[in-house]
Amino acid sequence: KQEVTQIPAALSVPEGENLVLNCSFTDSAIYNLQWFRQDPGKGLTSLLLIQSSQREQTSGRLNASLDKSSGRSTLYIAASQPGDSATYLCAFRGPASGGSYIPTFGRGTSLIVHP
Amino acid sequence: GAGVSQSPRYKVAKRGQDVALRCDPISGHVSLFWYQQALGQGPEFLTYFQNEAQLDKSGLPSDRFFAERPEGSVSTLKIQRTQQEDSAVYLCASSIGTSGGYTFGSGTRLTVV
Repeated sequence: KQEVTQIPAALSVPEGENLVLNCSFTDSAIYNLQWFRQDPGKGLTSLLLIQSSQREQTSGRLNASLDKSSGRSTLYIAASQPGDSATYLCAFRGPASGGSYIPTFGRGTSLIVHP
Repeated sequence: GAGVSQSPRYKVAKRGQDVALRCDPISGHVSLFWYQQALGQGPEFLTYFQNEAQLDKSGLPSDRFFAERPEGSVSTLKIQRTQQEDSAVYLCASSIGTSGGYTFGSGTRLTVV
């Protein structure tokens, strides 16, 4: 069974810091990896999608990288702001038994950015 | 529609009651997923549809859980004889294909009392 691990589980930082959130997976046969943000009591908002043929994706202050050989993806958040406070989830999608492609989630990193 | 719509937003059920949760995916999205998310946890896979075909239901925790998508668009997750351990947020996501990204709804928060 695919396992997705996110480190750290929780992070509390002052405003302005550059952050690194890690996601590791056990299966190198990957289709894509997607990073989501989840605010309390809300659904998941997609941040970045990296296809297996890509090394990184950028959107504003966010940059996500993918290293298939080491089974890792990293989400960089530059110049963090209090509005970035949320839980960040990564989801691995790869071939699974029966031909379906079930995204598997990590448990998330809970981020608090304080003013 | 513009996004994935789930209803109801909140549901309180008495133990033993049956519930039905609805998911209206983005128009044209072939793939539809249901996830269960307990407090403080990541979403756990329940079941997957490709059009009207349920291709994977390995995540359904018991035979009290049943999902359908009869016309390949709207999907319903039904939970019979609800138990307290069923209390969670139920998330629906859709994707245009098998390898693309996917869009989540806001979820249904089920509380069984």
